[in-house]
Amino acid sequence: DTEVTQTPKHLVMGMTNKKSLKCEQHMGHRAMYWYKQKAKKPPELMFVYSYEKLSINESVPSRFSPECPNSSLLNLHLHALQPEDSALYLCASSPSALAVQETQYFGPGTRLLVL
Amino acid sequence: GQNIDQPTEMTATEGAIVQINCTYQTSGFNGLFWYQQHAGEAPTFLSYNVLDGLEEKGRFSSFLSRSKGYSYLLLKELQMKDSASYLCAVRDWGSSNTGKLIFGQGTTLQVKP
Repeated sequence: DTEVTQTPKHLVMGMTNKKSLKCEQHMGHRAMYWYKQKAKKPPELMFVYSYEKLSINESVPSRFSPECPNSSLLNLHLHALQPEDSALYLCASSPSALAVQETQYFGPGTRLLVL
Repeated sequence: GQNIDQPTEMTATEGAIVQINCTYQTSGFNGLFWYQQHAGEAPTFLSYNVLDGLEEKGRFSSFLSRSKGYSYLLLKELQMKDSASYLCAVRDWGSSNTGKLIFGQGTTLQVKP
């Protein structure tokens, strides 16, 4: 199994809603990542979890709240989002975040629209 | 600071060879990756270079010169399905002792018949 899965594939939410994005991998990877990608732009790193602990937060607004319940799961809780938060949210994983030659494998993403 | 540059768009003919260049400036370089991304899909890993030289994988090759802060991705025998965005990403070893990928803006390659 070399797959990173994400649910839902598409999400439409209002600015007052609370929703969660989910990511799962069963490759035994110990590092997981959240990226945000706007149209025709590269992915921008949001968070890195290493061994289920948050190791990087790229100054992301608190309306985005990550959670890593175990080594296979990564969630992104969304609350009071703004229309400019509409984007493709990509999850990725790698064997670890500490070794040099670690390739990140991306999930298919959740396309989020905030109305 | 960190800066990664690559051309915005390129066009090539089916069956031809195309080279996509990437130049970078980072403080804690620890490897360079190339990803392919089709429209609306996730990036998929193509290649990785950490030492100077050429890495070959079938129709795709990637080259790195650390002293020049330069890499290229070479695509041979182009096929229509190679039309995609090609992302150059540098692994930067930050103060948190955790590597993170910093992506260039991507090069949109259009392959024409």
